Amino acid sequence: ETGVTQSPTHLIKTRGQQVTLRCSSQSGHNTVSWYQQALGQGPQFIFQYYREEENGRGNFPPRFSGLQFPNYSSELNVNALELDDSALYLCASSSGDTLAKTIQYFGAGTRLSVL
Amino acid sequence: DAKTTQPTSMDCAEGRAANLPCNHSTISGNEYVYWYRQIHSQGPQYIIHGLKNNETNEMASLIITEDRKSSTLILPHATLRDTAVYYCIAINAGGTSYGKLTFGQGTILTVHP
Repeated sequence: ETGVTQSPTHLIKTRGQQVTLRCSSQSGHNTVSWYQQALGQGPQFIFQYYREEENGRGNFPPRFSGLQFPNYSSELNVNALELDDSALYLCASSSGDTLAKTIQYFGAGTRLSVL
Repeated sequence: DAKTTQPTSMDCAEGRAANLPCNHSTISGNEYVYWYRQIHSQGPQYIIHGLKNNETNEMASLIITEDRKSSTLILPHATLRDTAVYYCIAINAGGTSYGKLTFGQGTILTVHP
């Protein structure tokens, strides 16, 4: 149990729709990272938020966007869904200290299916 | 961040030590080696990390060679619950990527009764 919760656990959308995924970080953590994990692959970094600002971004298009709130919870928004967006979306929280940012605590993920 | 190479899969008998190798021959001086694992249907779990000294915690030991070009994660007494995908990651602690974990394919460890 990491203290990181994600909702919903499963979601089915159709191509072209928009989706919002939510993440509550572990108490005391001010950094949230989002990852996409396609079936059979390792997680791929989407972006990270630190104190409500985007702190780094992976190779994902602008239709992937995010927010971090004052309580450090976070949202991942994906617009104009494509079939290839079907994946497990993982949220991870960490402390803001430099090295501690790489000790990340993951939620169980949201399984998104795009039809 | 340096590229890491791991075997695709490994087997281990329950109760025996599981030794998972990782090659990171291009690692630079300020890159740390991190290990995570992902049990089926769960998010990745942090195990251990190190720079150049061997490290041990309640979950595992990490042995890094003197030239830092490879490392081994050791689970001293593997149990069936250790069956998972194990990821070795090299991260520049001081660079802009320090918050970004780059996962490869990992090693699928299967622990047999």
